[in-house]
Amino acid sequence: KAGVTQTPRYLIKTRGQQVTLSCSPISGHRSVSWYQQTPGQGLQFLFEYFSETQRNKGNFPGRFSGRQFSNSRSEMNVSTLELGDSALYLCASSLSDPGASGNTIYFGEGSWLTVV
Amino acid sequence: AQSVAQPEDQVNVAEGNPLTVKCTYSVSGNPYLFWYVQYPNRGLQFLLKYITGDNLVKGSYGFEAEFNKSQTSFHLKKPSALVSDSALYFCAVRAATTSGTYKYIFGTGTRLKVLA
Repeated sequence: KAGVTQTPRYLIKTRGQQVTLSCSPISGHRSVSWYQQTPGQGLQFLFEYFSETQRNKGNFPGRFSGRQFSNSRSEMNVSTLELGDSALYLCASSLSDPGASGNTIYFGEGSWLTVV
Repeated sequence: AQSVAQPEDQVNVAEGNPLTVKCTYSVSGNPYLFWYVQYPNRGLQFLLKYITGDNLVKGSYGFEAEFNKSQTSFHLKKPSALVSDSALYFCAVRAATTSGTYKYIFGTGTRLKVLA
């Protein structure tokens, strides 16, 4: 069974540009979550989608947005990139509600974003 | 506030010796607890989880964790460390949100270094 797939793995963007990251969850998983990982802040929750609906959102500015498609694939977008957005962006999927019945969330390899 | 703490930024242990990586939590309700491992330039890999039942949980790669309700702890352990266990370890806890759903809260991570 294929794991969580994230594309692209590495990308470099210029300050002020926008970026779109893609995530394909494990087959059959309907929930997708996004996290930002930086050395100083650790893992920060961005948002979570289930059945195309955003159910939870972390404390990030409106420049960070996401969506989920009917096939459960998800994208996140960051507009007007800032140097501080340089990070590893991790996508995770779970069968349903990440917390319900102790469903485990499984992570992809991440997308490394560098903003210059 | 609901939270999870990993009090040690780094743990050093000699190969062959037992290892412990500490985690304490604060959540309302019954805790669902998880451990993940991250190798360099990779995503997080699921190791084990505690939902209910036996306080000693066994997971992947010979790791186990002990749930202690009175001390609100969920320490990760391994009887005999390997150099290949050197990685970044994250503890996570399920937390209820104000909207009635759940999200994961991650600790800041503990870097384990196993010395040959």
